[in-house]
Amino acid sequence: QKEVEQNSGPLSVPEGAIASLNCTYSDRGSQSFFWYRQYSGKSPELIMFIYSNGDKEDGRFTAQLNKASQYVSLLIRDSQPSDSATYLCAVVFTGNQFYFGTGTSLTVIP
Amino acid sequence: EPEVTQTPSHQVTQMGQEVILRCVPISNHLYFYWYRQILGQKVEFLVSFYNNEISEKSEIFDDQFSVERPDGSNFTLKIRSTKLEDSAMYFCASSERSGRSSYEQYFGPGTRLTVT
Repeated sequence: QKEVEQNSGPLSVPEGAIASLNCTYSDRGSQSFFWYRQYSGKSPELIMFIYSNGDKEDGRFTAQLNKASQYVSLLIRDSQPSDSATYLCAVVFTGNQFYFGTGTSLTVIP
Repeated sequence: EPEVTQTPSHQVTQMGQEVILRCVPISNHLYFYWYRQILGQKVEFLVSFYNNEISEKSEIFDDQFSVERPDGSNFTLKIRSTKLEDSAMYFCASSERSGRSSYEQYFGPGTRLTVT
């Protein structure tokens, strides 16, 4: 069974703090991992992708991947109210088929 | 910046009717996808399409559904004999190519389908 698990939240952080979002997945053979941001009523927007173990940084965002633990995370530094959204973890198990988690709702409090 | 577009933004139909949802993928992309998201639930994969044929489909994508690329720009999802449970947001996505380095999929704004 292919599963992608996320804490649904809500996660609340004060403005300027670091938000940490976590995701676990069921298939040890998975190779590709993605973080999408989804505002209410809108479509998913690609934020980060990571394919190798370790950290990948892009501006205020850092994706972390640990394939041995089947764990991927997203850190958002200097969180802003505009970062308030649902963050979706997506994993490719085989082929091109994305499996999404249910998402973590993040609220950044001014 | 190139983007995926979808029409209509909202479609209301009666149960049993057929609907066609339309998408224009990013122009240099070769792989196309349909997803759906029932209100309050996760985004679910329906089908992927490459080189004028389905490359993968999920259990959701049964005989009620079909996809087509009728010309060089449009990609359509047809739902025959709609059911109440087909009410959802339908997202089209595209990616430049497949393979480990280019799985990144870009989503359109979605079509909200309401079946009454």
